[in-house]
Amino acid sequence: GNSVTQMEGPVTLSEEAFLTINCTYTATGYPSLFWYVQYPGEGLQLLLKATKADDKGSNKGFEATYRKETTSFHLEKGSVQVSDSAVYFCALAPSGAGSYQLTFGKGTKLSVIP
Amino acid sequence: DVKVTQSSRYLVKRTGEKVFLECVQDMDHENMFWYRQDPGLGLRLIYFSYDVKMKEKGDIPEGYSVSREKKERFSLILESASTNQTSMYLCASENPGQGASGYTFGSGTRLTVV
Repeated sequence: GNSVTQMEGPVTLSEEAFLTINCTYTATGYPSLFWYVQYPGEGLQLLLKATKADDKGSNKGFEATYRKETTSFHLEKGSVQVSDSAVYFCALAPSGAGSYQLTFGKGTKLSVIP
Repeated sequence: DVKVTQSSRYLVKRTGEKVFLECVQDMDHENMFWYRQDPGLGLRLIYFSYDVKMKEKGDIPEGYSVSREKKERFSLILESASTNQTSMYLCASENPGQGASGYTFGSGTRLTVV
């Protein structure tokens, strides 16, 4: 079956540090890949997505590139801010119609300190 | 702005009570989902629905039921609440016709069963 593996947290960084959160997946075919962010006390928000190999999703300074050869979708940001403190979830949707039944990773908690 | 609204942010219920969690979306989405989120376990799918009066079991349906009488509303029902159902519950919706559009989540309901 489909699965998503994220690096375990928590991750603590100083403001302006470089961020990488690793995500690898197992799926047949060509899934779509997503990163969601959950701020404290809130639901999940879609951060970025990529629907085919070599696509790069980007939003709010975050980027992730869909690497079919390494089955990865690592999240990066060049300079984190305190406001980026949140839990980040990697997810995949099986290939085919829609994003029916996303499979989520367990989440990585990021804390950014001034 | 499109929205998924969960009726309560916090609920405290007694063991054995029947509990209703309500979710309403204003985007005319066909698919709706209920997840629970627990530390270290990530998001686990309880039930989903892809049409009015249709429902499908997710990964952990035991102890839960759902109702979808109207397209915009998807209710999660705990028939007899137990302490192991204390959790954060997240509702989401999706329009599969938009391809891999990802989910829109509500803000969550934190349920405590005492």
